Amino acid sequence: KAGVTQTPRYLIKTRGQQVTLSCSPISGHRSVSWYQQTPGQGLQFLFEYFSETQRNKGNFPGRFSGRQFSNSRSEMNVSTLELGDSALYLCASSPLNTAQETQYFGPGTRLLVL
Amino acid sequence: QKEVEQNSGPLSVPEGAIASLNCTYSDRGSQSFFWYRQYSGKSPELIMSIYSNGDKEDGRFTAQLNKASQYVSLLIRDSQPSDSATYLCAVKGSGGSNYKLTFGKGTLLTVNP
Repeated sequence: KAGVTQTPRYLIKTRGQQVTLSCSPISGHRSVSWYQQTPGQGLQFLFEYFSETQRNKGNFPGRFSGRQFSNSRSEMNVSTLELGDSALYLCASSPLNTAQETQYFGPGTRLLVL
Repeated sequence: QKEVEQNSGPLSVPEGAIASLNCTYSDRGSQSFFWYRQYSGKSPELIMSIYSNGDKEDGRFTAQLNKASQYVSLLIRDSQPSDSATYLCAVKGSGGSNYKLTFGKGTLLTVNP
């Protein structure tokens, strides 16, 4: 099975712009979660989608949003970019994301905001 | 605020030694515990998962869970230079937080040849 894929892998934007990141889960996985990783804060949960519905959201401002399509692919959007949004954005998929299910991570999108 | 704490390290061990990585968590309702390994510039990859009190062994890796003490650990036996990476402890909680992993900030392990 192919793993989780994310596009683009690298992105450079300037402050005030917006960005859209894409994630394709492992085939058959219906849950997609997004995380932000920075050196200072580590890995932080952004949101989780299952069957096109957001089930949980982390403590991020409303500039961070996401959606999931009927084929389970997911996108996240960050509007009005700030320097502090520079990070590695990781998505992870799991079949149903039950308590004991593992989440499998994609390679990430590294975003640099100038 | 549900938290996961790890010693940030760095932890340095000689090749062939046992590396011991520790993690504590604050949410008593946590149900599942995971250890991920992350090489520099790469994404996290799962090493072990553990759900019940006690030990779970997989090759050179042993995960230990003590829910009463809210403590989980990872032992790496016969450490190899290729084990040099950041090890992330992650916890899945209860109820509405069931869907997310809460991560510690990771322990950097260096295995010296």
